[in-house]
Amino acid sequence: GQQLNQSPQSMFIQEGEDVSMNCTSSSIFNTWLWYKQDPGEGPVLLIALYKAGELTSNGRLTAQFGITRKDSFLNISASIPSDVGIYFCAGQRQGGKLIFGQGTELSVKP
Amino acid sequence: EAQVTQNPRYLITVTGKKLTVTCSQNMNHEYMSWYRQDPGLGLRQIYYSMNVEVTDKGDVPEGYKVSRKEKRNFPLILESPSPNQTSLYFCASSSRQTLEQYFGPGTRLTVT
Repeated sequence: GQQLNQSPQSMFIQEGEDVSMNCTSSSIFNTWLWYKQDPGEGPVLLIALYKAGELTSNGRLTAQFGITRKDSFLNISASIPSDVGIYFCAGQRQGGKLIFGQGTELSVKP
Repeated sequence: EAQVTQNPRYLITVTGKKLTVTCSQNMNHEYMSWYRQDPGLGLRQIYYSMNVEVTDKGDVPEGYKVSRKEKRNFPLILESPSPNQTSLYFCASSSRQTLEQYFGPGTRLTVT
């Protein structure tokens, strides 16, 4: 089936550093979503992107919908300990179901 | 408060004993879905429903059943659970327009 490749799989960074993760696909998507999952919780929507080239921010988070519509990235600036968790990208075709990436596990050292 | 609820949150059972995990949403969403989460595999869709009485298979439907008799409820049924169904399960819902899915808190199932 359709797959999303999310990288990196895990990151260990120092508090205050910037973080970047991305998702790529061989298929075109109409929507890209980024979720964060805290330990023991369900994923929570961070940012939704609906147009190729769209750049959207949510506080210290910035995400972009790639021009080719086959990729998206998420940046976190000036990381803090509560940024710890698993970040998932998800892509959706017109009228289709949501496909999730494998997740990026982020650890932040104070 | 807008939310998706799941019950139970934790369940340990034995092979072959039928079980149901309930899911309910109070946002009047048309779309509901079940996922399982396993290490290194991310979230994989089991079943989804576009509206009442409309359900369809996701990527990993084998061994599961669902029903959508009411808009707010979407139970997941394991008729004869097996150890390979040990996993973390999430229910999600969204409006048909946005498909921005809201997730429940998860159900951790262990089948021995």
